[in-house]
Amino acid sequence: AQKITQTQPGMFVQEKEAVTLDCTYDTSDQSYGLFWYKQPSSGEMIFLIYQGSYDEQNATEGRYSLNFQKARKSANLVISASQLGDSAMYFCAMREGFSGNTPLVFGKGTRLSVIA
Amino acid sequence: DTGVSQDPRHKITKRGQNVTFRCDPISEHNRLYWYRQTLGQGPEFLTYFQNEAQLEKSRLLSDRFSAERPKGSFSTLEIQRTEQGDSAMYLCASSLVGFMNTEAFFGQGTRLTVV
Repeated sequence: AQKITQTQPGMFVQEKEAVTLDCTYDTSDQSYGLFWYKQPSSGEMIFLIYQGSYDEQNATEGRYSLNFQKARKSANLVISASQLGDSAMYFCAMREGFSGNTPLVFGKGTRLSVIA
Repeated sequence: DTGVSQDPRHKITKRGQNVTFRCDPISEHNRLYWYRQTLGQGPEFLTYFQNEAQLEKSRLLSDRFSAERPKGSFSTLEIQRTEQGDSAMYLCASSLVGFMNTEAFFGQGTRLTVV
């Protein structure tokens, strides 16, 4: 079964606008962590933001915020004030278990294109 | 700290040949992961090491694949008798062990093309 689902293969956003990238997840664990990574055309995966299952507040890192809705099992990434350099693939990932001993499981990604 | 480095960045090989990739993790990281990424997909987990011990292997890792981390530092991933279906980006990542929120740091990957 798909553990991470990203339903948007591609998204377009105007420069300086905000955009939301969707992610839903499936787990029976109470303890888990959710991650977002950015992959530019160079190929390297760049960590953006983390949300723990027990965190009561939504995570924020600069222009990135995570809209975490636990009951809906969704962890959407919001990018504010989009920049041309934000054009890339974005992957949602999950790690299950409390100890952090399991590998990250990734979704299929969303390609974001920022238009000038 | 120079981050995770992978070598080579690109490899073209003929079907049936063996290939070996190298990953140098961030020096203090005890966890090292290998992932495979095909076009239009997210990275898929292959295997991981804690220090020199290989702790988990995915079902994706067929008998033709072998990974080592002999001294708990760099790692190699070998594919024997390559097939066209092996064409993919092979990503290496490293992290510290033990915390849920520990992010993995990725290298730029090795892109394998089997012709």
